[in-house]
Amino acid sequence: ELKVEQNPLFLSMQEGKNYTIYCNYSTTSDRLYWYRQDPGKSLESLFVLLSNGAVKQEGRLMASLDTKARLSTLHITAAVHDLSATYFCAVDTGGSQGNLIFGKGTKLSVKP
Amino acid sequence: EPEVTQTPSHQVTQMGQEVILRCVPISNHLYFYWYRQILGQKVEFLVSFYNNEISEKSEIFDDQFSVERPDGSNFTLKIRSTKLEDSAMYFCASSYLGNSPLHFGNGTRLTVT
Repeated sequence: ELKVEQNPLFLSMQEGKNYTIYCNYSTTSDRLYWYRQDPGKSLESLFVLLSNGAVKQEGRLMASLDTKARLSTLHITAAVHDLSATYFCAVDTGGSQGNLIFGKGTKLSVKP
Repeated sequence: EPEVTQTPSHQVTQMGQEVILRCVPISNHLYFYWYRQILGQKVEFLVSFYNNEISEKSEIFDDQFSVERPDGSNFTLKIRSTKLEDSAMYFCASSYLGNSPLHFGNGTRLTVT
């Protein structure tokens, strides 16, 4: 059974600081996704990582994937308050389409 | 930008009642999904649907649940006899291909009393 572990689950940062969220998964997978969720809102797709060594960047967020280590990271550079949200990684089970296993989420709070 | 729309945004029902949650996926998408999120917990897969049939379903998706695409635009989730533990946010999603990113709707908050 595929398991997805995120850490930390809660992260309080000061504006301007850097930090990394980690996502480990237990079995081989071809695709890993990062989503953002604001309180009471839907899930917004941030990144899709499809191959070993994939790195994608959007603004202050950068995601990477190491399929051999079964590890993805979401790095936050010079955090700003607008980044406060819950971030989920999700791993495709490799079976039929769309069966994503989500991590528990990392609730990020960026304080001035 | 096209989006997935869900109605209602909030549904309150009594235990044992049937509920139907409605979704309009993005028009050219071929794959449809339901996920749920119990308050403060992680998002869980329920079911995927393609070519008018269920592709995959999770253990959560038992005989009390069913999905239907009654016409060319709507995609529904029916819970036949709701239980207290069905209280959750239910998200519909769609994708163009099976391995494309999922686009999620804003969710329906279901409260079973």
